[in-house]
Amino acid sequence: AQSVTQPDIHITVSEGASLELRCNYSYGATPYLFWYVQSPGQGLQLLLKYFSGDTLVQGIKGFEAEFKRSQSSFNLRKPSVHWSDAAEYFCAVGDFGNEKLTFGTGTRLTIIP
Amino acid sequence: NAGVTQTPKFQVLKTGQSMTLQCAQDMNHNSMYWYRQDPGMGLRLIYYSASEGTTDKGEVPNGYNVSRLNKREFSLRLESAAPSQTSVYFCASSTQPGQTYGYTFGSGTRLTVV
Repeated sequence: AQSVTQPDIHITVSEGASLELRCNYSYGATPYLFWYVQSPGQGLQLLLKYFSGDTLVQGIKGFEAEFKRSQSSFNLRKPSVHWSDAAEYFCAVGDFGNEKLTFGTGTRLTIIP
Repeated sequence: NAGVTQTPKFQVLKTGQSMTLQCAQDMNHNSMYWYRQDPGMGLRLIYYSASEGTTDKGEVPNGYNVSRLNKREFSLRLESAAPSQTSVYFCASSTQPGQTYGYTFGSGTRLTVV
């Protein structure tokens, strides 16, 4: 069965600093990978997705993620965070023909001035 | 605005009461899902419907039932609520099997069972 691990429960970053959120997946074939963001009291919004092609994908709000098959990872990055990036971030994995996504447990991001 | 609409947004139930959470999407999506979100556990799939007329169990289906009323609507029913069902419930939809485009989520229903 596919699974997703987000090893960092909570990360604190200074405004303007760079950010990397980790995501590791377990899946036999080439997975479909997603990052979602959840602001307090809101639903989840899709940041970016990968399912083939270039392993570096660009998303909304200045985020990017890199698929590394050898490390089974799909880490999310941003060069310079803004206070509005404070939220919870979820990595998810799926595969073609399977209607269900499996989500990680999330990483809560706090931004300090 | 197009999207996924969930009602109600908040609900408090007494143990043993029943209720139905409603979800509707206006994007002509084929697949719909119900997840619950609990602290430290991420989102766990309760039930899903790959297409109109079909429903299947997810990871945590016990204590819940679903109905895919038509292509737009997918409801979740708690027949006899328990405190363990206190959670935030999210409905989501996607265009087609394969998840190529990812899900669109509703804004959630916060349910407390006392």
